[in-house]
Amino acid sequence: EVKLLESGGGLVQPGGSLRLSCAASGFTFTDFYMSWIRQPPGKAPEWLGVIRNKANGYTTEYNPSVKGRFTISRDNTQNILYLQMNTLRAEDTAIYYCARWDWEPRGFAYWGQGTLVTVSS
Amino acid sequence: DIQMTQSPASLSASLGETVTIECLASEDIYSNLAWYQQKPGKSPQLLIYDASSLQDGVPSRFSGSESGTQYSLEINSLQSEDAATYFCQQHHDYPYTFGAGTKLELK
Repeated sequence: EVKLLESGGGLVQPGGSLRLSCAASGFTFTDFYMSWIRQPPGKAPEWLGVIRNKANGYTTEYNPSVKGRFTISRDNTQNILYLQMNTLRAEDTAIYYCARWDWEPRGFAYWGQGTLVTVSS
Repeated sequence: DIQMTQSPASLSASLGETVTIECLASEDIYSNLAWYQQKPGKSPQLLIYDASSLQDGVPSRFSGSESGTQYSLEINSLQSEDAATYFCQQHHDYPYTFGAGTKLELK
């Protein structure tokens, strides 16, 4: 069974940093592209970025809205996906999800339960 | 970025009715579109992929279609469990983008 479990959310002051983790299990982690997606309360999801699979060199793509502040990485020995967030702003307050990108079917077929990040003084 | 204009923002319908939700892409996305259902406090769930293919386990009353850059999600014979918010998402180009969502309420 595919499982994705985020952790690391919490309250952080503006300008601060936070690192989120997503523990993956039930599938061969290195075979899949993994993404981070966030959703402010009551709003639509926003795709933040992707880290590709082993076959594609674990390269990354980012949403311009967070490029330069957020970094996606992965530990392929422990099957963990990370999101390093720096210079946090109030508008970064959201539930943060990790999600697995599938090519068949094409879509985010698996999501974690999410972790809440609140940026406030 | 590719903009996904979703409508309506909300709708109210009765059990057994049929509803349609639409997403207009700002450019051709070549059927690279998915639909998700999200219930309160839960993660989004994939319903439709490649604009019109039904994800495994999703009831056949859900269907997707397209006409040019306009994509539609139709739900037939509404059931109580269909009350949720629905989002479209394009994956033709990075950054992937979502529609603003449609909140479906059952009367």
